[in-house]
Amino acid sequence: DGGITQSPKYLFRKEGQNVTLSCEQNLNHDAMYWYRQDPGQGLRLIYYSQIVNDFQKGDIAEGYSVSREKKESFPLTVTSAQKNPTAFYLCASSTSGHTGELFFGEGSRLTVL
Amino acid sequence: AQSVAQPEDQVNVAEGNPLTVKCTYSVSGNPYLFWYVQYPNRGLQFLLKYITGDNLVKGSYGFEAEFNKSQTSFHLKKPSALVSDSALYFCAVRDTGAGSYQLTFGKGTKLSVIP
Repeated sequence: DGGITQSPKYLFRKEGQNVTLSCEQNLNHDAMYWYRQDPGQGLRLIYYSQIVNDFQKGDIAEGYSVSREKKESFPLTVTSAQKNPTAFYLCASSTSGHTGELFFGEGSRLTVL
Repeated sequence: AQSVAQPEDQVNVAEGNPLTVKCTYSVSGNPYLFWYVQYPNRGLQFLLKYITGDNLVKGSYGFEAEFNKSQTSFHLKKPSALVSDSALYFCAVRDTGAGSYQLTFGKGTKLSVIP
């Protein structure tokens, strides 16, 4: 089945540690996205990539980094510079162009202890 | 800049009654509009979208939405609510005049269908 796989589902880290969240898609989509979800705040865009080897900052990119070396993969690193990293992180992909809807993974819940 | 507003944090409706979840938007060009549903601790599932054409869009699970350009609204509707419709609903917009694929989401509306 085609889809988006995020891992791990749950992750705990200590303050000061970097952590990388994995996102893989087999939908052959060009565009990929990372969103952060906090209660009552909806989804906020962290980074997005429209094509391999290119990505742009979203609204809340500070303290995060990404790479897009392969079409299928768009990992997100939450660095120690992110002041409040505890959140639910959602990865998504879409076809190129403005009309395509986003397909979402099941999310990764990061808790900083 | 593109933006979306969902004016109600929560909507309660009795099972079998019609439901409406409201959404208004702001864009510089033409809007592409989307509705998604999220169940607890899950990702978002696509329900329907408006790109162009008929203002009434039909989607998954019996949901539909009406695009109203003059009121800049895209309200989600269903004629008869089910308890299983209880979830968090998100409206989203993509601005054709923005030159990017960025999709902006509202803050979500929690729908509770009461048996």
